[in-house]
Amino acid sequence: QKEVEQNSGPLSVPEGAIASLNCTYSDRVSQSFFWYRQYSGKSPELIMSIYSNGDKEDGRFTAQLNKASQYVSLLIRDSQPSDSATYLCAVWAGANNLFFGTGTRLTVIP
Amino acid sequence: DTGVSQDPRHKITKRGQNVTFRCDPISEHNRLYWYRQTLGQGPEFLTYFQNEAQLEKSRLLSDRFSAERPKGSFSTLEIQRTEQGDSAMYLCASSLGTSGSTQYFGPGTRLTVL
Repeated sequence: QKEVEQNSGPLSVPEGAIASLNCTYSDRVSQSFFWYRQYSGKSPELIMSIYSNGDKEDGRFTAQLNKASQYVSLLIRDSQPSDSATYLCAVWAGANNLFFGTGTRLTVIP
Repeated sequence: DTGVSQDPRHKITKRGQNVTFRCDPISEHNRLYWYRQTLGQGPEFLTYFQNEAQLEKSRLLSDRFSAERPKGSFSTLEIQRTEQGDSAMYLCASSLGTSGSTQYFGPGTRLTVL
């Protein structure tokens, strides 16, 4: 059973702060990792993908992957109220589909 | 590139009725996925097509569910004899190339079964 675990939150941060979102996964053969943002009532929107250990930066977003610890995180710098959404961690482990966590709800307080 | 589109965006039906949803993937994307998402949960995999071939079905996909992708382009998902437990957001995603490549989601079809 492939499992992806996320803290459901809600996570509240003040505007301008760093938001840190965490995800752990159970399948050691997992190879690709994705962060999606989902606004209420909308569909998931890709934020970042990461495949190798270490950090990957894209604008205000940084994804961090540690395969030994089976841990992937997303940092959002200079958080904005528009970042308020649910963030879904998704893992590909060699199957034909992604396995998703339940998501972490982030609220950025102006 | 217009992205993944889905139709209808919302569907309200009575229990026992049949419903059909359509998904148009991003042009040239050979892989197409259907997921279901309920409130407070992440998307759950239903089925997957590579071109016109349906290569995998989840145990979630009961006999009342059927999906097609007849020409390797758009796909349909039909639910027969709907039940209240079928109420959910049905999401379609597409990707290009090998498995593990990035999946792009459509806007979803929200189904409400009364």
